[in-house]
Amino acid sequence: DAEITQSPRHKITETGRQVTLACHQTWNHNNMFWYRQDLGHGLRLIHYSYGVHDTNKGEVSDGYSVSRSNTEDLPLTLESAASSQTSVYFCASSPDRGGTGELFFGEGSRLTVL
Amino acid sequence: GNSVTQMEGPVTLSEEAFLTINCTYTATGYPSLFWYVQYPGEGLQLLLKATKADDKGSNKGFEATYRKETTSFHLEKGSVQVSDSAVYFCALSGGGATNKLIFGTGTLLAVQP
Repeated sequence: DAEITQSPRHKITETGRQVTLACHQTWNHNNMFWYRQDLGHGLRLIHYSYGVHDTNKGEVSDGYSVSRSNTEDLPLTLESAASSQTSVYFCASSPDRGGTGELFFGEGSRLTVL
Repeated sequence: GNSVTQMEGPVTLSEEAFLTINCTYTATGYPSLFWYVQYPGEGLQLLLKATKADDKGSNKGFEATYRKETTSFHLEKGSVQVSDSAVYFCALSGGGATNKLIFGTGTLLAVQP
C-alpha cells in the first residue's frame, strides 16, 4: 500500500544544532506540506511544495527550510534549533492542486530541543 | 484572513451520549470545510467534508452541515463510543488553486464507558 512515512519519530537535540526531519511518500503526490502541532495552536503550516523544485513559505516558516529534489521527499531542516521549536511535526501530501482539501498525514515526529 | 474557531475542550461524555463540537469560520469566497480526526499517537485523517453551502458531510455516524448563513460547520454524532475518543480538528481550504488547509485548535473528546 502507498503511504507517507516520517523519520525519526522521536528526536532530542540541543539548542543550536542542525536537525533534519525526513518525509517520504509513495503515492506520487505533487503536493507536500509540513505542519507543526502545539497545544492551543492546532496545526500551523511551516512550508509547502507543489512539485519538484517548488517550495513556499507558510505562516511559521522562520528558522525552517525545505527542498524538493524529487516527488517522493520533502525534508524539513532546522538550521539552528531553538527551544521554541520543540513540537510535534507532521508531514502531509495531496494529489492535486485543486481545492479538494484531503491531506494524507504521516504519523508525526516529536522533536525536543534542550 | 481566513480562520477557524473551535469550541474549547476537553469534552467528556459517557458512552451513547450525543455529541456536538462547534466550529465557525471566517473566509472570503467559498471555501470547502473539513473535519479531521487524530487518534492517540497517530497522524490526522479526514473524517468528512463539505464543498458548498448546505452540503452535509457524513462518515462513521458523524455529520456536519455547511451553513453559510451562520458560517458554521458543527460536528455531531448521535451516540458516541469509547473508540471515538480522539482530537477533532475543523479546517477550511484556502480556495482557488491551492490545497492549503487552515486548521482550528482542535477539540479533545474523551468518551467514558
